[in-house]
Amino acid sequence: AQTVTQSQPEMSVQEAETVTLSCTYDTSENNYYLFWYKQPPSRQMILVIRQEAYKQQNATENRFSVNFQKAAKSFSLKISDSQLGDTAMYFCAFMRWGAQKLVFGQGTRLTINP
Amino acid sequence: DTGVSQNPRHKITKRGQNVTFRCDPISEHNRLYWYRQTLGQGPEFLTYFQNEAQLEKSRLLSDRFSAERPKGSFSTLEIQRTEQGDSAMYLCASSLGGTSGGADTQYFGPGTRLTVL
Repeated sequence: AQTVTQSQPEMSVQEAETVTLSCTYDTSENNYYLFWYKQPPSRQMILVIRQEAYKQQNATENRFSVNFQKAAKSFSLKISDSQLGDTAMYFCAFMRWGAQKLVFGQGTRLTINP
Repeated sequence: DTGVSQNPRHKITKRGQNVTFRCDPISEHNRLYWYRQTLGQGPEFLTYFQNEAQLEKSRLLSDRFSAERPKGSFSTLEIQRTEQGDSAMYLCASSLGGTSGGADTQYFGPGTRLTVL
């Protein structure tokens, strides 16, 4: 069974700073997908960024980028120029190729301070 | 608003009662998922449908839980004889699935928060 671990329960940074959230996972699969989802307070979860394991190039979406280290089974999220609206719970998630269920980590509560 | 909608948003019930939640996916999304999220944890997969067929069920889904998607559109999740341990946020998500085996992007609803007294 796959597991996803987020070792930082909470993080706090000042607005405009860069912050990196950590995620490690355990799998014996070679083909899979990794995701970062954001869950703002009292609002629904939205996809931030996704990475296909077969792609060596790290995914980037505007201020959000990932550092995917397949051998180390590590998938960190970097948020540049952080904004107050980035305050949320962030979940790392894994999906095996051919499956449709997401396996989530425990989440990291990120607070951006003005 | 054309996103995933869930009703009710909050439900308080007494132990032993039955409850039913509804999820309306994004129009034309053929896949629908249910997850459960307890306080301070990430969501856990419960079950998923492709059109009206229930293709996978988690072992978390005990005999007291049943989900349906009768016409391949909305879905209901029923919990019979609720227990205090059922208190959680129940999340629904939908996606437009293909046949390539690739990962769909799942779009989540706001959830139904269940409190069992």
